[in-house]
Amino acid sequence: ETGVTQSPTHLIKTRGQQVTLRCSSQSGHNTVSWYQQALGQGPQFIFQYYREEENGRGNFPPRFSGLQFPNYSSELNVNALELDDSALYLCASSLGSGFTYNEQFFGPGTRLTVL
Amino acid sequence: LAKTTQPISMDSYEGQEVNITCSHNNIATNDYITWYQQFPSQGPRFIIQGYKTKVTNEVASLFIPADRKSSTLSLPRVSLSDTAVYYCLVGDMGRAAGNKLTFGGGTRVLVKP
Repeated sequence: ETGVTQSPTHLIKTRGQQVTLRCSSQSGHNTVSWYQQALGQGPQFIFQYYREEENGRGNFPPRFSGLQFPNYSSELNVNALELDDSALYLCASSLGSGFTYNEQFFGPGTRLTVL
Repeated sequence: LAKTTQPISMDSYEGQEVNITCSHNNIATNDYITWYQQFPSQGPRFIIQGYKTKVTNEVASLFIPADRKSSTLSLPRVSLSDTAVYYCLVGDMGRAAGNKLTFGGGTRVLVKP
């Protein structure tokens, strides 16, 4: 069984640029969540996709957008990068169903540095 | 969502038991208590989840008193590899909450030889 994978591992961008991060969910999982983790802090929820539709969003501006594909892999896009966007971006997959909590499995993250 | 308070850091020695207490005074009826572990440059990993009383698995135990206003994660006989940040999360884990996980600052546990 393949776990959650993310690409790229590291990325360096400059202010104002756009970036796309990718996540492949664990086999059989239909829900993907994205988190931003600044250095020394806990992860902050960005948004979640369930069966290709957004299913909840945290307190992040619209320049953070996402997409989920039919195979349940996902992308996180960030436009007009700012210095504060420098962080570890984590993807987590789970099997969403009904009102039962389903454990989220996290990937290793993508380290984004904005200069 | 219920706010959680946990110690910023704790030191321990190999072979000892580590107990991390998390306060969540405003926990709601539908809220569960979940603990995650995170190693440097890795994503968090689920450790244990509970609603009341005591839950035990192969990794840890979770103690929840009757009023549920706090909980204690117990790691038996820690080793150097247990050095990590431990997060206490409280929330309605059902689909109504979008399965959103709300992390606080966590507790940095350092296990010394």
